[in-house]
Amino acid sequence: DSGVTQTPKHLITATGQRVTLRCSPRSGDLSVYWYQQSLDQGLQFLIQYYNGEERAKGNILERFSAQQFPDLHSELNLSSLELGDSALYFCASSLAGVGPGETQYFGPGTRLLVL
Amino acid sequence: GEDVEQSLFLSVREGDSSVINCTYTDSSSTYLYWYKQEPGAGLQLLTYIFSNMDMKQDQRLTVLLNKKDKHLSLRIADTQTGDSAIYFCAEKGAGNSGYSTLTFGKGTMLLVSP
Repeated sequence: DSGVTQTPKHLITATGQRVTLRCSPRSGDLSVYWYQQSLDQGLQFLIQYYNGEERAKGNILERFSAQQFPDLHSELNLSSLELGDSALYFCASSLAGVGPGETQYFGPGTRLLVL
Repeated sequence: GEDVEQSLFLSVREGDSSVINCTYTDSSSTYLYWYKQEPGAGLQLLTYIFSNMDMKQDQRLTVLLNKKDKHLSLRIADTQTGDSAIYFCAEKGAGNSGYSTLTFGKGTMLLVSP
């Protein structure tokens, strides 16, 4: 158990809909990362937050947004969903998000299926 | 841009050694990681190596790094059926602000047969 929790575990929705994925980092970690894992694209970094502020952006679509709240939990919002958004979405956390030696710990993921 | 390549599949017999290979392109990579993903689970950090090291050993795991060729390998000694999983190589670049992110390979599926 990494200490990172994600809810829900599974989500089934329809095209055009909007969903929110939630992540709670490990106790004491200030930085949260979101990743998307799909069969064709592999594991892609989406976005990183540190202590409530956006720090790095990867291959995140404009239809997607995220935020980190004062209690350090984070939410990833996916809107106008398309079939291709079906994937496993992972959250990871690390202590501060700085320094190359810092380790990211991954949550169990949320499996999203868009029908 | 950054790119990490791995072979997609490896099959070994229980008790044999497994070697999973990875190549990366970012010459500024500072740390390289190996993660394990079991079916239906998240990624579990196995080990990592700093780019100025050639080798790191951790129990049954040995990581070898050839920085000149940008080649990383993970050797699992005495492979067990419980080692069957997908193994991801990842690199972390230096970045400009220090908030560098991980770039993952597509994963190598290791199948261990009894």
